[in-house]
Amino acid sequence: QQQVKQSPQSLIVQKGGISIINCAYENTAFDYFPWYQQFPGKGPALLIAIRPDVSEKKEGRFTISFNKSAKQFSLHIMDSQPGDSATYFCAAKPNTGANSKLTFGKGITLSVRP
Amino acid sequence: DVKVTQSSRYLVKRTGEKVFLECVQDMDHENMFWYRQDPGLGLRLIYFSYDVKMKEKGDIPEGYSVSREKKERFSLILESASTNQTSMYLCASSPTGVAQPQHFGDGTRLSIL
Repeated sequence: QQQVKQSPQSLIVQKGGISIINCAYENTAFDYFPWYQQFPGKGPALLIAIRPDVSEKKEGRFTISFNKSAKQFSLHIMDSQPGDSATYFCAAKPNTGANSKLTFGKGITLSVRP
Repeated sequence: DVKVTQSSRYLVKRTGEKVFLECVQDMDHENMFWYRQDPGLGLRLIYFSYDVKMKEKGDIPEGYSVSREKKERFSLILESASTNQTSMYLCASSPTGVAQPQHFGDGTRLSIL
């Protein structure tokens, strides 16, 4: 059973456009929702994260929108740039203890065309 | 900056060999993790450790073991390598806490021939 589902599987966006990646989760105990960005040859790096006490968090061109009732959260990349081309993973973690583990989505590849 | 260092970027081994993948972190993090990354399957947790000499199985522990003798070092061991263990292996570390991010190394691409 996949607990965190990402969509779409891949995404191509023109430079300057908005990239939107969605994630749906099933476990209502999830309490922390990070997004990771991975460039070829590198490990994933934390991009932005949200807790369920807020519905939106913005950091520069990156925004997480969170819908607790729908059990969905999404990443919006405004003014997408070729340098944003990477693999993006959503993840979720329950508040069942300090050592609870992250569950990752399968990742999506974003290509931003010049 | 947190640094997670994996000892090898590329490794080629033969079927049946015992393989050691090493990971060191420099931020005194309590938690350390081993994942494998395969196309279309994302990141899958193999083992993790929340303290020295402590380990817990992740989602796909079969065929693997781990060792954490010192806080900064977490080793992944393939007891008898098989071709289906050809993959990218990623190590990560994090402090204790729900909203603490994991910091990843750049991975070891392991090929089992």
